[in-house]
Amino acid sequence: KQEVTQIPAALSVPEGENLVLNCSFTDSAIYNLQWFRQDPGKGLTSLLLIQSSQREQTSGRLNASLDKSSGRSTLYIAASQPGDSATYLCAVSNAGGTSYGKLTFGQGTILTVHP
Amino acid sequence: ETGVTQTPRHLVMGMTNKKSLKCEQHLGHNAMYWYKQSAKKPLELMFVYSLEERVENNSVPSRFSPECPNSSHLFLHLHTLQPEDSALYLCASSQGGGLAGGRTQYFGPGTRLLVL
Repeated sequence: KQEVTQIPAALSVPEGENLVLNCSFTDSAIYNLQWFRQDPGKGLTSLLLIQSSQREQTSGRLNASLDKSSGRSTLYIAASQPGDSATYLCAVSNAGGTSYGKLTFGQGTILTVHP
Repeated sequence: ETGVTQTPRHLVMGMTNKKSLKCEQHLGHNAMYWYKQSAKKPLELMFVYSLEERVENNSVPSRFSPECPNSSHLFLHLHTLQPEDSALYLCASSQGGGLAGGRTQYFGPGTRLLVL
């Protein structure tokens, strides 16, 4: 059974700092890994999706890396801003021949960026 | 806006009530999902529908009954719920097909459910 762990559970940083969020998973037979953002009381917004054959993906100030063999991913946020404050969720989609995505989520990292 | 809407946004119900949650996607996707998000627990997949057929039932109690009448709509019928069922219920959709398996899922804003 796939298990996803995110460290740290919460992080508070001053504006402008670069930061790294960590995600680990127990079963390396994944199709892809996704990072989501969730604002309080709202749904999830997909930030980055890394296919199992890829090493990293970048979108603006965000960079996500994937080391499938070691079961790890990191989300790097450059020059953090107060608007980045949210819960960041990591999710993996396991291989299995299905055409839909069965995602297993971590518990999330609550990020607070203060001015 | 992600193209996935959910109604109602908030719902309070007693344990003997029957209610339904509705999800609609405007993205032309062919797979839809129900997730449960409880406090201090990771998001849990409940049901998956692909091409309007249920392909996954993640050991969910029978007091939760999903319905997918077409590829754009998904319902979750609730009856005789327990207080521990209070949670945020999220709907998502994706475009399935091929070996890509697990394409980006687009989430709705969720329904915050409180069972008294």
